[in-house]
Amino acid sequence: KQEVTQIPAALSVPEGENLVLNCSFTDSAIYNLQWFRQDPGKGLTSLLLIQSSQREQTSGRLNASLDKSSGRSTLYIAASQPGDSATYLCAVRFYGGGYQKVTFGTGTKLQVIP
Amino acid sequence: DTEVTQTPKHLVMGMTNKKSLKCEQHMGHRAMYWYKQKAKKPPELMFVYSYEKLSINESVPSRFSPECPNSSLLNLHLHALQPEDSALYLCASSQDWTSGVVEQYFGPGTRLTVT
Repeated sequence: KQEVTQIPAALSVPEGENLVLNCSFTDSAIYNLQWFRQDPGKGLTSLLLIQSSQREQTSGRLNASLDKSSGRSTLYIAASQPGDSATYLCAVRFYGGGYQKVTFGTGTKLQVIP
Repeated sequence: DTEVTQTPKHLVMGMTNKKSLKCEQHMGHRAMYWYKQKAKKPPELMFVYSYEKLSINESVPSRFSPECPNSSLLNLHLHALQPEDSALYLCASSQDWTSGVVEQYFGPGTRLTVT
């Protein structure tokens, strides 16, 4: 069974700080890992997608890395802004029980203080 | 256009009602998904449609009935729901399902309350 954990569950940082969010998964046989942000009561916005063959992806102030062998991904946010405040979720697509599945992590709630 | 739309935004229904949630995308995606998200929890996959055929049913109770009338539309028919079914229902789509390497795009969700 694939378990996806995100640490910390909540994080509060002052504006301008660089920060790292973590995502750990137990089964390394994954197809891809996708990072999302979710604002309260809203849908999910895709941030970055890393294929299993890739080690990192960058988009603007965001950088995501993937280490399949250790079952870890990190999302690095540079120069954080109050608008970055949201819950960040990672989702792992993997093969299990005879078919593909998608499992989301537990989420990290980020607050960036002006 | 990278938008997935969902209607209605909010729905309140009694346990004896029948209602439907609707999802639409015009990105030419051939895989569409339903997720359920309870408060302060991550989304949980319910169903996956690939090329308008049901590919995945994650042991969802039969009071939830999905339907994919065409490649752009996905419905979720609701009947005899329980109060614990109250949640945010999210629809997503991706280019396909079988390749496993594609990005999912999510709609804004339907907030369902069962009274």
